[in-house]
Amino acid sequence: GDSVTQMEGPVTLSEEAFLTINCTYTATGYPSLFWYVQYPGEGLQLLLKATKADDKGSNKGFEATYRKETTSFHLEKGSVQVSDSAVYFCALASSNDYKLSFGAGTTVTVRA
Amino acid sequence: DGGITQSPKYLFRKEGQNVTLSCEQNLNHDAMYWYRQDPGQGLRLIYYSQIVNDFQKGDIAEGYSVSREKKESFPLTVTSAQKNPTAFYLCASSTQGGPDTQYFGPGTRLTVL
Repeated sequence: GDSVTQMEGPVTLSEEAFLTINCTYTATGYPSLFWYVQYPGEGLQLLLKATKADDKGSNKGFEATYRKETTSFHLEKGSVQVSDSAVYFCALASSNDYKLSFGAGTTVTVRA
Repeated sequence: DGGITQSPKYLFRKEGQNVTLSCEQNLNHDAMYWYRQDPGQGLRLIYYSQIVNDFQKGDIAEGYSVSREKKESFPLTVTSAQKNPTAFYLCASSTQGGPDTQYFGPGTRLTVL
């Protein structure tokens, strides 16, 4: 079945550091890919998404490119802030299914 | 403002009791979902509904029940048959079932005493 594997955390960074969170997937067909962010005690918010190969999703300085050849959707941000401290989830939606398959989440802590 | 509301934010239950978690949306979305989140794990789908008066089991439906009598509402009942109910429960909705963005509520944290 479809699945998502993302980098284990926790990840601790200093402000203005470069952030990468790796995400790879297994799926049949042409899935849509998502990054969600969860701040402490809250629900998930959509951060960005990409619906076809080579698409780049971007939002709030975060970017991720849908790479079909490597089945990856790595999340990057060039200069993190303390307010970026959160749990980040990579997710996949199959082209013919209702379900979102989530990775286990990566906890990111940014220190001033 | 459009969005999804869940209540209560925190819920405590004694063992052997049923409890119902509320989820309401005013986004005019057809599809609604319930997920369970445990520490260090991703989200697991409990139930979903693509249309009023219809719903399907997800990956971990045992010990849970739902209803969908109105488009806006999708309550989840955690029954006494659920062996380990302590968790964070998240409700979501989307414009249609399928590979579409899901929008999440703020969650309900259930603790069984």
